[in-house]
Amino acid sequence: NAGVMQNPRHLVRRRGQEARLRCSPMKGHSHVYWYRQLPEEGLKFMVYLQKENIIDESGMPKERFSAEFPKEGPSILRIQQVVRGDSAAYFCASSPGSVNSNQPQHFGDGTRLSIL
Amino acid sequence: DQQVKQNSPSLSVQEGRISILNCDYTNSMFDYFLWYKKYPAEGPTFLISISSIKDKNEDGRFTVFLNKSAKHLSLHIVPSQPGDSAVYFCAASAKTGNQFYFGTGTSLTVIP
Repeated sequence: NAGVMQNPRHLVRRRGQEARLRCSPMKGHSHVYWYRQLPEEGLKFMVYLQKENIIDESGMPKERFSAEFPKEGPSILRIQQVVRGDSAAYFCASSPGSVNSNQPQHFGDGTRLSIL
Repeated sequence: DQQVKQNSPSLSVQEGRISILNCDYTNSMFDYFLWYKKYPAEGPTFLISISSIKDKNEDGRFTVFLNKSAKHLSLHIVPSQPGDSAVYFCAASAKTGNQFYFGTGTSLTVIP
């Protein structure tokens, strides 16, 4: 499967725990984007990364959330000390070029995070 | 600040008829527009895109129209099929920006 791979598909955490969401982009794609979708809402941009660099994190909460895309391995979205409001579907997308290259992003199937 | 808006949360169409999904945007710097289709428990799937230098792009049963003066785009699906039943998102980006902006989606139901 050459698509964007996200794991786990479902993640349950208790309040105060940490959540780690992983995303492997499509082969040949070096640009990764994370989105959050709350129930009955659209996709909200969180962060845009290129290998080893955060390009734009303007949509990510300043506290408890962080993202990385190391030289080797998947991109990781990390949420520390989770709260009930973090319950959502988190989607990762990748593209071969930057936003201004007029190329579509391709999405993974998401991680559904539930906070007990 | 919702820069891309889909004002119709839902739409029902008979099989074989045309489905028209609408999208409005506010940022005049947007120059690339996309439509995605999403089934429950899956990620959005790219359908079709259009650059601001065009006003129409067609791919099989799907056609996207762009009206820059009205800051409006639409997706036409003809003929509609039951398998088209899904949530459709429009998205937009600007060359000067770093992100895509998504609408809140329109849930299309195609009735057999």
